[in-house]
Amino acid sequence: EAGVTQFPSHSVIEKGQTVTLRCDPISGHDNLYWYRRVMGKEIKFLLHFVKESKQDESGMPNNRFLAERTGGTYSTLKVQPAELEDSGVYFCASSKNLLAGRYNEQFFGPGTRLTVL
Amino acid sequence: QKEVEQNSGPLSVPEGAIASLNCTYSDRGSQSFFWYRQYSGKSPELIMFIYSNGDKEDGRFTAQLNKASQYVSLLIRDSQPSDSATYLCAVNLYDKIIFGKGTRLHILP
Repeated sequence: EAGVTQFPSHSVIEKGQTVTLRCDPISGHDNLYWYRRVMGKEIKFLLHFVKESKQDESGMPNNRFLAERTGGTYSTLKVQPAELEDSGVYFCASSKNLLAGRYNEQFFGPGTRLTVL
Repeated sequence: QKEVEQNSGPLSVPEGAIASLNCTYSDRGSQSFFWYRQYSGKSPELIMFIYSNGDKEDGRFTAQLNKASQYVSLLIRDSQPSDSATYLCAVNLYDKIIFGKGTRLHILP
């Protein structure tokens, strides 16, 4: 079974440009999460999709970030316009359907390292 | 106050010894608790999770949870050089994972 995949693995862009990150979750996983780690900080939650719906987007830093999951399969995270502080590693994770009161393991992708110059 | 706190290390442990990693969390609504291992440049990998107070053992790993003290720990017995990595403590809070910064563990051959 293929794991979570992310594209690209690295992206270097200039301040003000636009970048789109893609995540393909494990097949059959309804839940998809985006996380980000900036240098020296902990990995932070950005948002959570259940199928194509945004369940929780409380971690999105500002309106320069737009996440979509059309059709409930892969997801994209667009940063427009990118700023220097957006540099970091963006992780995607997916999990199966949630069971009430239980935790379903989130499987992480390899991450996309974004550098904004 | 940070939601999940860990000592950043590095923690150096001789090969074959027990490595002890500690973590505290601030929100009593936290429902489940995890230890992830992350090798440099790689994605986090779940190695242990625990829901209830007490100990949970899996091979060389033991997770310990004390909800009253809001404390989670991970013991690694018979440490191997391949255990050298960053260990991330995390909690599940309303279905989002809150991570600590991680503790770098270095097993000395």
